[in-house]
Amino acid sequence: ILNVEQSPQSLHVQEGDSTNFTCSFPSSNFYALHWYRWETAKSPEALFVMTLNGDEKKKGRISATLNTKEGYSYLYIKGSQPEDSATYLCAFVRNFNKFYFGSGTKLNVKP
Amino acid sequence: DTAVSQTPKYLVTQMGNDKSIKCEQNLGHDTMYWYKQDSKKFLKIMFSYNNKELIINETVPNRFSPKSPDKAHLNLHINSLELGDSAVYFCASSQGDPGRPQHFGDGTRLSIL
Repeated sequence: ILNVEQSPQSLHVQEGDSTNFTCSFPSSNFYALHWYRWETAKSPEALFVMTLNGDEKKKGRISATLNTKEGYSYLYIKGSQPEDSATYLCAFVRNFNKFYFGSGTKLNVKP
Repeated sequence: DTAVSQTPKYLVTQMGNDKSIKCEQNLGHDTMYWYKQDSKKFLKIMFSYNNKELIINETVPNRFSPKSPDKAHLNLHINSLELGDSAVYFCASSQGDPGRPQHFGDGTRLSIL
């Protein structure tokens, strides 16, 4: 059984706070790491796909880093807004065709 | 226009029945996927097709059979439905290999009575 772990499971922050969470995955046979944003009653929306060790991606106030050697990725949100409230999922892709999703970090941003 | 559309959105049926869920994408992607969201909310991949060819076939009961009539469609047929099949099923598509982002449908909630 391959585990992709996300921490924390849930997070409550105030509007304007910056926050970050972690996705941990096995360091062997890495192919890609995906991050998705999943709002309640909607479908997952792709944020980033990272493939190289040391990759850093940014989209507005959200950024992500990747360390394939130690098996983790961080997602950062700067100056959280209520509309950032969602579950953030990571997916580890191994050997090209094996997908493993984490259970997500549920973020709640209070106005 | 909806990019990845699944029908039906809700499906309530009796144990033992056979049912299908349809998925269509209008993004011009060549790869499509089926996922099952389990009771712990994990998304688990079931199948993937690239250009109508099966490339991922995870350990799922052979009561589940995907069918891809063309690149834009990937349907999921389930025979002899069981209580444990109750879940939300998501379809997704992407262009090229699994290193590209996926676009998801809104999910089909299947409830077995």
